[in-house]
Amino acid sequence: EPEVTQTPSHQVTQMGQEVILRCVPISNHLYFYWYRQILGQKVEFLVSFYNNEISEKSEIFDDQFSVERPDGSNFTLKIRSTKLEDSAMYFCASNPSGANVLTFGAGSRLTVL
Amino acid sequence: QKEVEQNSGPLSVPEGAIASLNCTYSDRVSQSFFWYRQYSGKSPELIMSIYSNGDKEDGRFTAQLNKASQYVSLLIRDSQPSDSATYLCAVKRAGKSTFGDGTTLTVKP
Repeated sequence: EPEVTQTPSHQVTQMGQEVILRCVPISNHLYFYWYRQILGQKVEFLVSFYNNEISEKSEIFDDQFSVERPDGSNFTLKIRSTKLEDSAMYFCASNPSGANVLTFGAGSRLTVL
Repeated sequence: QKEVEQNSGPLSVPEGAIASLNCTYSDRVSQSFFWYRQYSGKSPELIMSIYSNGDKEDGRFTAQLNKASQYVSLLIRDSQPSDSATYLCAVKRAGKSTFGDGTTLTVKP
């Protein structure tokens, strides 16, 4: 069964460092998303991406965050200067059409020290 | 008011019982409704999707949607210990899914 692949599974970084989280969505999917989940809290929407541009973003997705689809397969989330409160599980998701069910990757756990 | 509100847990039921999970949402324009299951440390996985008023059954799971009341529920019949997880209600408008806090279900053998 096709799956969304995320790397790394766990990253530990120092506060102020840049982090790039990578995702390979399902190949025929057109809509891509990043969500985050702080430990013990709910899944929060960060950003949606379609046709090589951001279609919607939340207030969490400030200037420290950016997304990119550098080639035909990868979808990345960059955090420019990490803060302690960025520590969370980051989930990439995709679907073939904006109305459809999300397929989530296994997540990347980010720990900021 | 939260955009998506779920009944506070945790919820504990004996094996074989019916588990009932509830969710209300605030945005009347919401179009699609989903129940995801999330095991500890894992990503959400889809249990049910429902788009129109009424009931939708899939095996032991039944989703119910009432758009007038802005209410969606999930019933799990013949609950099994493997159903023990956090259940997330998600409401979609345009391209964005908004999740509730989740209800943690424990099924006791």
